[in-house]
Amino acid sequence: EIVLTQSPDFQSVTPKEKVTITCRASQNIGRSLHWYQQKPDQSPKLLIKYASQSFSGVPSRFSGSGSGTDFTLTINSLEAGDAATYYCHQSSSLPWTFGQGTKVEIK
Amino acid sequence: EVQLVESGGGLIQPGGSLRLSCAASGFTVSTNYMNWLRQAPGKGLEWVSVIYSGGRTYYADSVKGRFIISRDSSTNTLYLQMSSLRAEDTAVYYCARRDPDSWAFDYWGQGTLVTVSS
Repeated sequence: EIVLTQSPDFQSVTPKEKVTITCRASQNIGRSLHWYQQKPDQSPKLLIKYASQSFSGVPSRFSGSGSGTDFTLTINSLEAGDAATYYCHQSSSLPWTFGQGTKVEIK
Repeated sequence: EVQLVESGGGLIQPGGSLRLSCAASGFTVSTNYMNWLRQAPGKGLEWVSVIYSGGRTYYADSVKGRFIISRDSSTNTLYLQMSSLRAEDTAVYYCARRDPDSWAFDYWGQGTLVTVSS
């Protein structure tokens, strides 16, 4: 099973600040890495697919990069509505797995 | 517009059975890779099962032999038959479609809560 480890687990950020979340895979997964946003009491929403491709309708302040084992989600100029937990997910091999999540709080 | 609506959750005793449904609209369930995922209270996301367009199915080890995923083309509905339920199966269960190009989960339902408790 491929283990995904996110860092940090929690981040408290002021509006307009830049947020960087990393996801490290336990083995090479190419670009089969995706990012989701989950707000309280809501279902997850796809932000970035295939490491760096923005999903339809996602604001341009969200971007992704990386390949192999190291990946990054960047939120430029954080807005109050971005408070959420962010998850990475690998679709390289079964069982498909998720990172433990990174909670982003707005100061 | 793509929409997924789960139903069937509730309180069930350990050892009991429950069937979850996921009604889809805006696309065809049988020609897509459809999944069930779950999230225990206060915890992260866990993939549970997939049914491929060709009918092949796969399961997480934690539910293998106890859960069965299926679909009904006539009603465009995905199902998850759960049996021998345990306390650790308590979670919000989501159905989700897998994007055929990137294999990301591109659309999710709102979830249905399953509570296994005596």
